[in-house]
Amino acid sequence: DGGITQSPKYLFRKEGQNVTLSCEQNLNHDAMYWYRQDPGQGLRLIYYSQIVNDFQKGDIAEGYSVSREKKESFPLTVTSAQKNPTAFYLCASSTRRGSPSAFFGQGTRLTVV
Amino acid sequence: QQQVKQSPQSLIVQKGGISIINCAYENTAFDYFPWYQQFPGKGPALLIAIRPDVSEKKEGRFTISFNKSAKQFSLHIMDSQPGDSATYFCAASPDNQGGKLIFGQGTELSVKP
Repeated sequence: DGGITQSPKYLFRKEGQNVTLSCEQNLNHDAMYWYRQDPGQGLRLIYYSQIVNDFQKGDIAEGYSVSREKKESFPLTVTSAQKNPTAFYLCASSTRRGSPSAFFGQGTRLTVV
Repeated sequence: QQQVKQSPQSLIVQKGGISIINCAYENTAFDYFPWYQQFPGKGPALLIAIRPDVSEKKEGRFTISFNKSAKQFSLHIMDSQPGDSATYFCAASPDNQGGKLIFGQGTELSVKP
């Protein structure tokens, strides 16, 4: 089945440690996105990539980094510079042209203690 | 200003009733307006979407009404069911490249049996 796989579902890390969240898609979509969701709030865009080896900052990129070495993969690293990293992280993908519908993964809940 | 304002924050509807969620935007460059449904602990799923050249779109029990001059759009859920209980997000895309979306704050819908 085609879809977006995020792993792990739950992640716990100590304060000051970097952590990498995985996102893989087999939808053959060109574009991929990372969003952050906090309780009672909408989704906010962290980074996005419309093509391999290229990515752009979203609205809240500080303290995060990404890479896009393969079309299928768009990992997100939450660095120690992110002041409030505990959140629900969602990866999405879409075709760069045509229907702009974005499809989301099931999310990774990161808790930093 | 790229913002999407959503109301109400929460909504309680009796089974069989009509649920109405409203959104307003400011950026006239937005050209794609999707609605997402999210269940607890899951990623958002695309429900229905509309472009500004159409005033209304219906899919089953879900209808989007769009008022371009007022820069407002709304989701109507007819014959609301307990299974519709979820958080609903409106969003807007600032260009035709899909998943780069600006989200509203979300509406938590509860349908009482």
